Amino acid sequence: EAQVTQNPRYLITVTGKKLTVTCSQNMNHEYMSWYRQDPGLGLRQIYYSMNVEVTDKGDVPEGYKVSRKEKRNFPLILESPSPNQTSLYFCASRQEGRRTEAFFGQGTRLTVV
Amino acid sequence: GENVEQHPSTLSVQEGDSAVIKCTYSDSASNYFPWYKQELGKRPQLIIDIRSNVGEKKDQRIAVTLNKTAKHFSLHITETQPEDSAVYFCAGGSYIPTFGRGTSLIVHP
Repeated sequence: EAQVTQNPRYLITVTGKKLTVTCSQNMNHEYMSWYRQDPGLGLRQIYYSMNVEVTDKGDVPEGYKVSRKEKRNFPLILESPSPNQTSLYFCASRQEGRRTEAFFGQGTRLTVV
Repeated sequence: GENVEQHPSTLSVQEGDSAVIKCTYSDSASNYFPWYKQELGKRPQLIIDIRSNVGEKKDQRIAVTLNKTAKHFSLHITETQPEDSAVYFCAGGSYIPTFGRGTSLIVHP
């Protein structure tokens, strides 16, 4: 089954404790991206990648890191989480090209206390 | 980069009525305009999309129209049903989509 898988689904952590949210897709998609969803603000892009070893900042990259060492995986790293990073996070992947559908992971609800 | 604005932020209708959600975009190079539906607690999923070489596309009760000159596109839902209640997002942009802020559609039985 074609899918984008994120882990964990839910995470509560403390300020400053490094964490990683994993994202994996099995559709051989070139494009992958991370979004955060906050009430009233919609889906804001954090980082995106157009292929292995190619990543770029989105609209809200501060406090986040990503890597794309393999085509299928695109982890999101919070080196020192803060309470303002409490949010719902989605990973998405898309086939190369300008007119293709984005497939989303199930979402990760992160709470930083 | 692309700037996508979506209106309204909330839309409340009675079952059976029509609903229209509108989006504007800034990048003239944008040529793909998808609409995603996000039900409560779930991930966004594509419901319909339109490419810049057509002006309208229909799929049963939903349709999307595109006006390239004015740089806006709209989602139309006819004969709304309670299961249409969800958040709807439009998107624009070239390679990596930029999303609108979403419209919360509430269909009252």
